[in-house]
Amino acid sequence: EPEVTQTPSHQVTQMGQEVILRCVPISNHLYFYWYRQILGQKVEFLVSFYNNEISEKSEIFDDQFSVERPDGSNFTLKIRSTKLEDSAMYFCASRGAGQASNQPQHFGDGTRLSIL
Amino acid sequence: LAKTTQPISMDSYEGQEVNITCSHNNIATNDYITWYQQFPSQGPRFIIQGYKTKVTNEVASLFIPADRKSSTLSLPRVSLSDTAVYYCLVGESRNAGNMLTFGGGTRLMVKP
Repeated sequence: EPEVTQTPSHQVTQMGQEVILRCVPISNHLYFYWYRQILGQKVEFLVSFYNNEISEKSEIFDDQFSVERPDGSNFTLKIRSTKLEDSAMYFCASRGAGQASNQPQHFGDGTRLSIL
Repeated sequence: LAKTTQPISMDSYEGQEVNITCSHNNIATNDYITWYQQFPSQGPRFIIQGYKTKVTNEVASLFIPADRKSSTLSLPRVSLSDTAVYYCLVGESRNAGNMLTFGGGTRLMVKP
């Protein structure tokens, strides 16, 4: 069964450094998402991306965050200047074309980001 | 977005059927109901989705009454590996955006 893959599985970064989290969505999917989950808390929506532009973003997704689909297979999340509170699991998700009721989002297993 | 309410935790034993009910009193006409499962240190995994009546797949069944103000996820004959957090989500069908709003979920513990 096709799956969403994320790399690295664990990223340790010094505060203030830039970090790029990478995702390879399922190959024929057109809608892409990033979520995060701080340890012990709920999964939170960050951003959705379709047709090479952001469709929707949450308040968490401020100017320090950006997303990009640099080629036909990768989808990246960049945090420009990391803060301690950015430490979390970051999940990428994708879904296929059509109504969302027929195309659920499929998640990767996440990147654990640890900011020191 | 419709708010969902589900039990914080449930215990069960191997081989039993588990039913997790979610209430969503403010569900809108265009909203559909989706359930995800999450194991520790893994991403949420799609289980089942429905709009009304009953939906069944190889993993679970989803029962939705006529008023759609609640839904019940049914897991037949659970095993230890079904120990996980189960999330009920209610959302509108849209082509773009379609952000998912996760609540706290139900932590299911399956005992031997």
